[in-house]
Amino acid sequence: DAGVIQSPRHEVTEMGQEVTLRCKPISGHNSLFWYRQTMMRGLELLIYFNNNVPIDDSGMPEDRFSAKMPNASFSTLKIQPSEPRDSAVYFCASGQLSGYTFGSGTRLTVV
Amino acid sequence: AQKVTQAQTEISVVEKEDVTLDCVYETRDTTYYLFWYKQPPSGELVFLIRRNSFDEQNEISGRYSWNFQKSTSSFNFTITASQVVDSAVYFCALSEVGTGNQFYFGTGTSLTVIP
Repeated sequence: DAGVIQSPRHEVTEMGQEVTLRCKPISGHNSLFWYRQTMMRGLELLIYFNNNVPIDDSGMPEDRFSAKMPNASFSTLKIQPSEPRDSAVYFCASGQLSGYTFGSGTRLTVV
Repeated sequence: AQKVTQAQTEISVVEKEDVTLDCVYETRDTTYYLFWYKQPPSGELVFLIRRNSFDEQNEISGRYSWNFQKSTSSFNFTITASQVVDSAVYFCALSEVGTGNQFYFGTGTSLTVIP
């Protein structure tokens, strides 16, 4: 089991550019979460999916953020246009009620 | 309202001391799960333990132990004989059946073990 795979591990982009973060959940897990972690705000839930369906996206900060899960094995989080305040570590997690596994995170820096 | 409260923001202990990290949760569900995760300086989130709401038996794993008390809605984590490698941020979390497996994190407790 390769665990939850996130790519890229690091991303540096210029303000205004589109950024796409990717996540491959563990096979068989029916829930997928996107979190953002910053020093100021800690771990924030952005959105989560159950069986590929978005259940709660109330944590998505603005319309610049969008997330998709076209199938059970892939999800994306897109920021368009990116801003310096979006700089953070973005975690993807997958699992079921009885347990969740986190990916290694994507460290995003917007300059 | 915070679903999971970790009142201790930062704790420092000297190596070999015991330390307890507090976690208080809030839920109306009868079926839920509680978790502890460790985030070392390297940044990854490492799963430590899961307990379900029907199992209040305390658990011990090496130097780690967990005390789950439904009467006080607490799920505290104790590290015995702390080591420098235990230095990390520890997160308590709650997952509720009633909210479609929503997963709530506490704000974390930063533990520093001083050699």
